[in-house]
Amino acid sequence: NAGVTQTPKFRVLKTGQSMTLLCAQDMNHEYMYWYRQDPGMGLRLIHYSVGEGTTAKGEVPDGYNVSRLKKQNFLLGLESAAPSQTSVYFCASAVGGPGSGNTIYFGEGSWLTVV
Amino acid sequence: DQQVKQNSPSLSVQEGRISILNCDYTNSMFDYFLWYKKYPAEGPTFLISISSIKDKNEDGRFTVFLNKSAKHLSLHIVPSQPGDSAVYFCAASVRGSNYKLTFGKGTLLTVNP
Repeated sequence: NAGVTQTPKFRVLKTGQSMTLLCAQDMNHEYMYWYRQDPGMGLRLIHYSVGEGTTAKGEVPDGYNVSRLKKQNFLLGLESAAPSQTSVYFCASAVGGPGSGNTIYFGEGSWLTVV
Repeated sequence: DQQVKQNSPSLSVQEGRISILNCDYTNSMFDYFLWYKKYPAEGPTFLISISSIKDKNEDGRFTVFLNKSAKHLSLHIVPSQPGDSAVYFCAASVRGSNYKLTFGKGTLLTVNP
């Protein structure tokens, strides 16, 4: 019963380095999301995807890129990491939109520190 | 401009009593609301939701009330248990927005034995 799986769980980067966070879901969900959570803040949407091959910007997209080449995977990339990107990143997925009893399921989080 | 507000950063209640967590929103386009619970070092877990066509939804010990005219919703937990101690996030969505959620900052609930 994997649900939404994020890798890696922890990572320390130097300023300017690049990395990719991988999110995988085994629920055949169409919608996938990347959020970040900072101290004293709620979760903020970075990018999202409504299906394989599609991506769209969320609330705080700058400095990040995403790809959804396969339905089950949603990748979040940092091309040139900055200390402001130190955060906890959560991936989420949903089968469909609200109002139909569906909900959004979250992964356990990826802790990223940029020094 | 914060569209979903949880004005109480923390709440402490005794085991067996009622916990009431509050959430206010400013965007009148929001039509679906959710509550998530989050333990430290874990992802948020869905708790309960409510559509704007309803004013109450109940699931076991958890009840969510929606007051659209006041743009206010609340989560009631009765009776509260020590295992309920967690951060609770209120979230809202607009129909047709591809289920993008706007979150509040969260309320830390502590249930004392």
